[in-house]
Amino acid sequence: KAGVTQTPRYLIKTRGQQVTLSCSPISGHRSVSWYQQTPGQGLQFLFEYFSETQRNKGNFPGRFSGRQFSNSRSEMNVSTLELGDSALYLCASSLFGATANTEAFFGQGTRLTVV
Amino acid sequence: KQEVTQIPAALSVPEGENLVLNCSFTDSAIYNLQWFRQDPGKGLTSLLLIQSSQREQTSGRLNASLDKSSGRSTLYIAASQPGDSATYLCSPQTGANNLFFGTGTRLTVIP
Repeated sequence: KAGVTQTPRYLIKTRGQQVTLSCSPISGHRSVSWYQQTPGQGLQFLFEYFSETQRNKGNFPGRFSGRQFSNSRSEMNVSTLELGDSALYLCASSLFGATANTEAFFGQGTRLTVV
Repeated sequence: KQEVTQIPAALSVPEGENLVLNCSFTDSAIYNLQWFRQDPGKGLTSLLLIQSSQREQTSGRLNASLDKSSGRSTLYIAASQPGDSATYLCSPQTGANNLFFGTGTRLTVIP
């Protein structure tokens, strides 16, 4: 069974540009969450999508947005990139989300470097 | 907001030793708690999931316990190996389906 797939693995972008990251969850999983990991702030929650709807959002500016498609694949977009957006972006998939049996599985992440 | 603390921040042990990693969280209204390991520059690998109604969960050399009322969990690693070297993260899950993370414990097992 395939795991969570994130593409691309590495990205280098210039300040002011925009970027789109992709996450394909485990087959059958309907919940996809995104996290940002930096050395200074650790792992921080960005947002969660379930059945194409954003159910929960973390404390990030509106430059960070996402969407989920009918096949549960999700994309995350960051517009007007800043140097501080350099981070490892991780997505996690789970079956249904907030239930006692929900185990979250993470992808390998996308390393974004903004120069 | 859920706050997660992991102690110690870093741990270095000789191969073969048993060790305990500690995790505490401030909001006990959790659905479950998951332990992960993360190798440098990589994603998180799920190790164990403990449901809020459970006290303990075991997988191979790993044993995790949960005391939900006191907001604590421990991860016990038996007979540590160099391949266990990684950062270990605990994460309680709330009804909002976002995981909260502490800064983890960086474990080094010396051959």
